Amino acid sequence: DTAVSQTPKYLVTQMGNDKSIKCEQNLGHDTMYWYKQDSKKFLKIMFSYNNKELIINETVPNRFSPKSPDKAHLNLHINSLELGDSAVYFCASSRLAATDTQYFGPGTRLTVL
Amino acid sequence: QKEVEQDPGPLSVPEGAIVSLNCTYSNSAFQYFMWYRQYSRKGPELLMYTYSSGNKEDGRFTAQVDKSSKYISLFIRDSQPSDSATYLCAMSVSPNQFYFGTGTSLTVIP
Repeated sequence: DTAVSQTPKYLVTQMGNDKSIKCEQNLGHDTMYWYKQDSKKFLKIMFSYNNKELIINETVPNRFSPKSPDKAHLNLHINSLELGDSAVYFCASSRLAATDTQYFGPGTRLTVL
Repeated sequence: QKEVEQDPGPLSVPEGAIVSLNCTYSNSAFQYFMWYRQYSRKGPELLMYTYSSGNKEDGRFTAQVDKSSKYISLFIRDSQPSDSATYLCAMSVSPNQFYFGTGTSLTVIP
């Protein structure tokens, strides 16, 4: 049974397009995260949501917007995609705080052409 | 300067060797420390978690935190080919915001 799932697994798109990545967790966790992992494997937090409320918003361009319809879902919308957005995006969840074990999704590999 | 520094490797060791992976950091307020393992094209999975200074052991894995030197280590005893992965350290001041190292790529050769 998949704990944290993301769709799509791969996303290839043209510069300037708008795209979304979906994330769902079936663990009953209260906190969800989006991370970006660049080509150098550096994993950086982008957003953190707790019970549908944004609690962390790192220095991320406002072209990126998280949407949480309910506490089991945290989707990532990206407008006007740029070449530098190419990376692997990971969704994760934890019970309450990040000191609880974070469970990561399989990642979405985004390539912007 | 990055918050967390980690040697990317790659590191190759023979099976059975003791592996030492390290991270240094600049923020003396960090108090939560984690090690993640990431297999190729998979999401990171938590290996070890320590709070503040000290050692923690779990099977073949030992995590050490030296806050005075701003240095953390992960030791893997009796390394196995299945340990081949990228190991990421992560640390935090507050419970909801972790900073990750770039990861060290490890290959254990049978």
